[in-house]
Amino acid sequence: EDQVTQSPEALRLQEGESSSLNCSYTVSGLRGLFWYRQDPGKGPEFLFTLYSAGEEKEKERLKATLTKKESFLHITAPKPEDSATYLCAVQAGSARQLTFGSGTQLTVLP
Amino acid sequence: DTGVSQNPRHKITKRGQNVTFRCDPISEHNRLYWYRQTLGQGPEFLTYFQNEAQLEKSRLLSDRFSAERPKGSFSTLEIQRTEQGDSAMYLCASSLAGTGGVGYTFGSGTRLTVV
Repeated sequence: EDQVTQSPEALRLQEGESSSLNCSYTVSGLRGLFWYRQDPGKGPEFLFTLYSAGEEKEKERLKATLTKKESFLHITAPKPEDSATYLCAVQAGSARQLTFGSGTQLTVLP
Repeated sequence: DTGVSQNPRHKITKRGQNVTFRCDPISEHNRLYWYRQTLGQGPEFLTYFQNEAQLEKSRLLSDRFSAERPKGSFSTLEIQRTEQGDSAMYLCASSLAGTGGVGYTFGSGTRLTVV
């Protein structure tokens, strides 16, 4: 059974204080690893897809990386508007659905 | 077309009542998914349609749950004889076959509270 574990559960940062969120996964035949951002009361918003170990993707202050066992979401010089829950998900084998982790709730203080 | 639309946004119902939610996907998207999310957890897969065909159902989808997508356009999710454990956010997402790399587009969800 596919498993996705995210850590930490919650993270509080001062504005400008860079950090990383972790996503560990156990799947049979990874087809893609996805990062989403979710604001309170809203659906997840797509950020990145990573396909193979060593791949990296960047968007503004966010950078996602992938190894054979985990993915990191690096946040550089975060701003209060980066506060949200960040979700990691995997797609494996022939499945169309995603298996999500429980998320990391990020709070960036001004 | 501004995205995936879900209605209602909120629903409060008494235990034992039936409820129905609607999802209107992005018009050109042929795949539609239903997920359920409880507080502090990530979304859990319920079911998936390609066009009008329901291709996969999770074991989470008990016989009280039924989903349809007539004519491959909007979809409905019905829960019969609701229980308190059904209280959750029900999320709909859509995608276009062959574009999996860009991820799903999710709607804002329907929050169900069973009292």
